[in-house]
Amino acid sequence: DSGVTQTPKHLITATGQRVTLRCSPRSGDLSVYWYQQSLDQGLQFLIQYYNGEERAKGNILERFSAQQFPDLHSELNLSSLELGDSALYFCASSVAGASGRLTDTQYFGPGTRLTVL
Amino acid sequence: GNSVTQMEGPVTLSEEAFLTINCTYTATGYPSLFWYVQYPGEGLQLLLKATKADDKGSNKGFEATYRKETTSFHLEKGSVQVSDSAVYFCALRRNTPLVFGKGTRLSVIA
Repeated sequence: DSGVTQTPKHLITATGQRVTLRCSPRSGDLSVYWYQQSLDQGLQFLIQYYNGEERAKGNILERFSAQQFPDLHSELNLSSLELGDSALYFCASSVAGASGRLTDTQYFGPGTRLTVL
Repeated sequence: GNSVTQMEGPVTLSEEAFLTINCTYTATGYPSLFWYVQYPGEGLQLLLKATKADDKGSNKGFEATYRKETTSFHLEKGSVQVSDSAVYFCALRRNTPLVFGKGTRLSVIA
């Protein structure tokens, strides 16, 4: 158990809908990262928050957004869903930010499996 | 940009066989290098890491050595078990969040 929790575990929805994925980082970790894992694209970094502020952005679509709240939990919002958005979405957390220690280790949650029908 | 290339799977081995999964990287400077493992139905777990050239990361019988001259971080284990069946990801970090390879699926048969 990494200490990172994600809810829900599974999500099935229809095209055009909007969903929210939730992540609680390990106690004491200030950074939260979101990754998408799909069969064709592999594991791709989406976005990072550090202590409530966006710190780095990866291959995140404009239809997707995220935020980190004062209690440090984070939500990833996916809207106007398409079939191709079906994937595993992972959250990870670490102590430092993007410009922090290069040895900083990221700990991953169990993921949310999104299926868009 | 930074990238990681790892050998394509799947890799199928008999129990107690020797394992090598190749990983090479492209990055400026000196990235930190990681191996993560994903067991069926689970998230990624950090297996081992190395932060500078010639460092050897090790955990649960797995080892990988950071080779700057060949830009490699190959994963090895002397004697695999059925419980090692999983997908293994090589990754690097250099002033960015993690950049992953595509993963190598390992199946160990008794």
